[in-house]
Amino acid sequence: KNEVEQSPQNLTAQEGEFITINCSYSVGISALHWLQQHPGGGIVSLFMLSSGKKKHGRLIATINIQEKHSSLHITASHPRDSAVYICATLGGQFYFGTGTSLTVIP
Amino acid sequence: KAGVTQTPRYLIKTRGQQVTLSCSPISGHRSVSWYQQTPGQGLQFLFEYFSETQRNKGNFPGRFSGRQFSNSRSEMNVSTLELGDSALYLCASSLAPGGATNEKLFFGSGTQLSVL
Repeated sequence: KNEVEQSPQNLTAQEGEFITINCSYSVGISALHWLQQHPGGGIVSLFMLSSGKKKHGRLIATINIQEKHSSLHITASHPRDSAVYICATLGGQFYFGTGTSLTVIP
Repeated sequence: KAGVTQTPRYLIKTRGQQVTLSCSPISGHRSVSWYQQTPGQGLQFLFEYFSETQRNKGNFPGRFSGRQFSNSRSEMNVSTLELGDSALYLCASSLAPGGATNEKLFFGSGTQLSVL
């Protein structure tokens, strides 16, 4: 069983659609990260959450510590949002989800 | 401000050889962590260093080792390379250990290692 489960694995959306990516974890954590990886390998840390909700531009991340669940939302999606999104839990050990590959079609 | 620098960018080795990868963190960052990424296993944590001390270690065999120098630069070494070690090796830096203080991570572009 994976410590971090993400869904969906693949997602295709039309430009402008609202997108939700889910992450569930089974381990105790001090923080959860949402990462974005574009083709070519570069990874960018989008959010770091230990509680509540954070917003940056069109991206919103939420976390429910009691339910061990986090979501990443993208409002008004754009083709440049096409990337792999990975959630990662940090708490001594580091665990990663398998990633959600997002393709936004113009 | 320069980002996280990993060298070399690409590396080809043969089975049984050893390899050393380098990671220079963002200036002022004292924590460096290493990750392996493969198509089959995804991202996996190797180890984390802070102030020259290994703080956490993932579930990798002893062939994988690392160290951190006084200037916070870090190296990881893989001895007796196996075909399955072919992967993208990423490092990330932060001001303080990521797990302990919820510090944001900044990733390098990675070293693509191919073992033939």
